[in-house]
Amino acid sequence: KAGVTQTPRYLIKTRGQQVTLSCSPISGHRSVSWYQQTPGQGLQFLFEYFSETQRNKGNFPGRFSGRQFSNSRSEMNVSTLELGDSALYLCASSRAGQGANIQYFGAGTRLSVL
Amino acid sequence: GNSVTQMEGPVTLSEEAFLTINCTYTATGYPSLFWYVQYPGEGLQLLLKATKADDKGSNKGFEATYRKETTSFHLEKGSVQVSDSAVYFCALSDPREYGGATNKLIFGTGTLLAVQP
Repeated sequence: KAGVTQTPRYLIKTRGQQVTLSCSPISGHRSVSWYQQTPGQGLQFLFEYFSETQRNKGNFPGRFSGRQFSNSRSEMNVSTLELGDSALYLCASSRAGQGANIQYFGAGTRLSVL
Repeated sequence: GNSVTQMEGPVTLSEEAFLTINCTYTATGYPSLFWYVQYPGEGLQLLLKATKADDKGSNKGFEATYRKETTSFHLEKGSVQVSDSAVYFCALSDPREYGGATNKLIFGTGTLLAVQP
């Protein structure tokens, strides 16, 4: 069974640009969450989607957005990139709708903003 | 709000030494507790979990017990190997805070473990 797949693995952008990251969850998983990992702030929750609906959101500015498609694949978008957006972005999927399910993480997309 | 505090690293041990990584939490409800491990260049892998007080999670020689009275979930291993070198994250999930419908994880800052041969 394939794991969580994130594409691309690496991205280099410049300030002011926008970027879209993609996440394909494990087959059968309907919940997808996104996290930002930086050396200074650690792992921070961005948002969670279930059945194409955002059901929880972290404390990030509106430049960070996401969506989920009917096949459970998810994308996150960051507009007007800032240097501080450089981070490892991790996607996690889990099986059911109820909380406290095991989350399976992808290898991440490393974004560098120059 | 909910939070997780874990011991600062790095933790440097010799092979076959005993490992303890401390983790304490603050939660308004009754969270589930997790330990995740991250190897260089990879995402996070679940190491073990516990969903209620006095539960013991275990996997690959690692253990942690959910202690409600001390709000702790310390990670232990009796004999570490070089291959255990990684960053370990303690995390909690408290879905009841959000009406029962979230898998949101709150992580500690991570502890780097370096095991020397």
